[in-house]
Amino acid sequence: DAKTTQPTSMDCAEGRAANLPCNHSTISGNEYVYWYRQIHSQGPQYIIHGLKNNETNEMASLIITEDRKSSTLILPHATLRDTAVYYCIVRGGWDDKIIFGKGTRLHILP
Amino acid sequence: NAGVTQTPKFQVLKTGQSMTLQCAQDMNHEYMSWYRQDPGMGLRLIHYSVGAGITDQGEVPNGYNVSRSTTEDFPLRLLSAAPSQTSVYFCASSVTSGRFYEQFFGPGTRLTVL
Repeated sequence: DAKTTQPTSMDCAEGRAANLPCNHSTISGNEYVYWYRQIHSQGPQYIIHGLKNNETNEMASLIITEDRKSSTLILPHATLRDTAVYYCIVRGGWDDKIIFGKGTRLHILP
Repeated sequence: NAGVTQTPKFQVLKTGQSMTLQCAQDMNHEYMSWYRQDPGMGLRLIHYSVGAGITDQGEVPNGYNVSRSTTEDFPLRLLSAAPSQTSVYFCASSVTSGRFYEQFFGPGTRLTVL
């Protein structure tokens, strides 16, 4: 079973910040949180990852709660091209099997 | 680097036929995996491998075989195709050094079993 739970779908107005939550209440101390997105029927692509500190890159920001039981992916200025399914996963060692949940389908509204 | 390549892109099989989906990567990644994605659903792990000669089952392994004779290749075999195996199949490989283990996905193989 997936170690994360996410809302099935969310809407966000174009130009606004999209905040996608993820619950990972059973995360272990050595497990990182990774976010991927899948646009239409393409293979998923990496967005960002983090352990316990907040992270930011050119695509998004990742906010992890202090107890590490949940996180939020933030797309600061959503565009129509951000319409996709977003997956939150946790992974410890490089040899851990990687289980994806159902993800959140993000609709960007014009 | 070509990244992760998959062949074929599309395939139609009849029930009971067998076939092999090919996956290759040129990034020297030890970790490779196969997922299937049914319409409107998330990805489900079929099999994965942490190196040549080592494979293990994922969430939905029944009906599929894998082997890993080289680091580069990780083929997925359907022994006797069934309509329930109609799906999109994604192969992925993962960085296995350092502290950051990004996965790279192939473009997918769209399989229809009649």
